[in-house]
Amino acid sequence: EVRLVESGGGLVQPGGSLRLACAASGFTFTDYWIHWVRQAPGEGLVWVSRVNNVGGGTNYADSVKGRFTISRDNAKKTVYLQMNSLRVEDTAVYYCARAVHYGGNSGGPESWGQGTLVTVSA
Amino acid sequence: EIVLTQSPDFQSVTPKEKVIITCRASQNLGNGLFWYQQKPDQSPRLLVKLASQSISGVPSRFSGSGSGTDFTLTIDSLEVEDAAAYYCHQSGDLPSFGQGTKLELK
Repeated sequence: EVRLVESGGGLVQPGGSLRLACAASGFTFTDYWIHWVRQAPGEGLVWVSRVNNVGGGTNYADSVKGRFTISRDNAKKTVYLQMNSLRVEDTAVYYCARAVHYGGNSGGPESWGQGTLVTVSA
Repeated sequence: EIVLTQSPDFQSVTPKEKVIITCRASQNLGNGLFWYQQKPDQSPRLLVKLASQSISGVPSRFSGSGSGTDFTLTIDSLEVEDAAAYYCHQSGDLPSFGQGTKLELK
């Protein structure tokens, strides 16, 4: 069974930092790209970042570029999202998700974790 | 940046109704469009991949169509449990989601 478990969320002051982790199991981790997607309370889904299967390729939404860093440790089957210079508007549930894999390409999120809540407030 | 615009934002629905949700992209996506369902307090669920490909375990009343810039998600004969939010997504060079469509029971 594919399983993704996020951790590391919590309450942080504006300007602070948090590191989220996404622990994967039930599939060949090194075959898949991983996405981070967030959802502010009562709002829609917002794509945040993704990392390719070997960790050398990353992309970021403009709203987090320069503040967030995605990485992965394939030995630990874990993806990380380091979030620095946090803002009130970063408050959201953060989901990690395994990407659709097709014909050597990678697509949208396929299997999702349960999410971890990040609250940025003074 | 590719912008995805869904229509409608909200629809009041009844069981057995046929529902069509549209997603328009600001650039040509080919078939690189995905559809998701999200119920309150749940993680999103993939319904359709690559515009029209079905997903194992998803009821056959859900189907996707389209290519290029115009896509649709169709729910044939809506059931009570289909009341949820629906999102389209593209995973090109810079991925993005549509703003969402909320289906609420009348």
